[in-house]
Amino acid sequence: EIVMTQSPATLSVSPGERVALSCRASQTINTNLAWYQQRPGQAPRLLIHGASTRASGIPARFSGSGSGTEFTLAISSLQSEDFALYYCHQYNHWPYTFGQGTKLEIK
Amino acid sequence: EVQLVESGGAVVQPGGSLRLSCAASGFTFEDYTMHWVRQAPGKGLEWVSHISWDSGSTNYADSVRGRFGISRDDSKNSLFLEMNSLRTEDTALYYCVKDAVVAGYEAFDIWGHGTMVTVSS
Repeated sequence: EIVMTQSPATLSVSPGERVALSCRASQTINTNLAWYQQRPGQAPRLLIHGASTRASGIPARFSGSGSGTEFTLAISSLQSEDFALYYCHQYNHWPYTFGQGTKLEIK
Repeated sequence: EVQLVESGGAVVQPGGSLRLSCAASGFTFEDYTMHWVRQAPGKGLEWVSHISWDSGSTNYADSVRGRFGISRDDSKNSLFLEMNSLRTEDTALYYCVKDAVVAGYEAFDIWGHGTMVTVSS
């Protein structure tokens, strides 16, 4: 099973700042990586797939990068609605696996 | 509007059984691989199972293999999860999830709101 490790577990930032969330795979997954946002009480929402392709309707302030085992989700100019949980997900090997999540909180 | 609506969640005793359903609408259901993903209270996401667009392929997480069975009825645009020999660690919100590409495997682009399964004596 591929282990996905996200860091940090929690990130405290101020609105308007730029952040970078990290996700590492225990073995190569090419670019078969997605990022999801989950707000309290809601289902996850797809942000990025193919490591760097924004899903439909996702603002341009969200960007993804990386390949192989190292991936990054960057959010420029944080808005209030961006403070949430973020999960990475690999779909290169069965079983599909998720990272444990990074919580983005207001500083 | 593309929509997934789960049902069937309940409180059940350890060792019991349950059948979850997911009603899909707004897209050509038979063209897409479908998945179940669960989230225990206060915890992260865990992929549970998938069934391919043509029902030719299924797969399960090790934690549920041999106890859970996934199926679909394309004539009714419905996905199912048969859950047997339930354990307390199966307690979670179960999401019905759509794959992002036709006749393939990709990320999860549409999620239902989930149905809660509680295993407790």
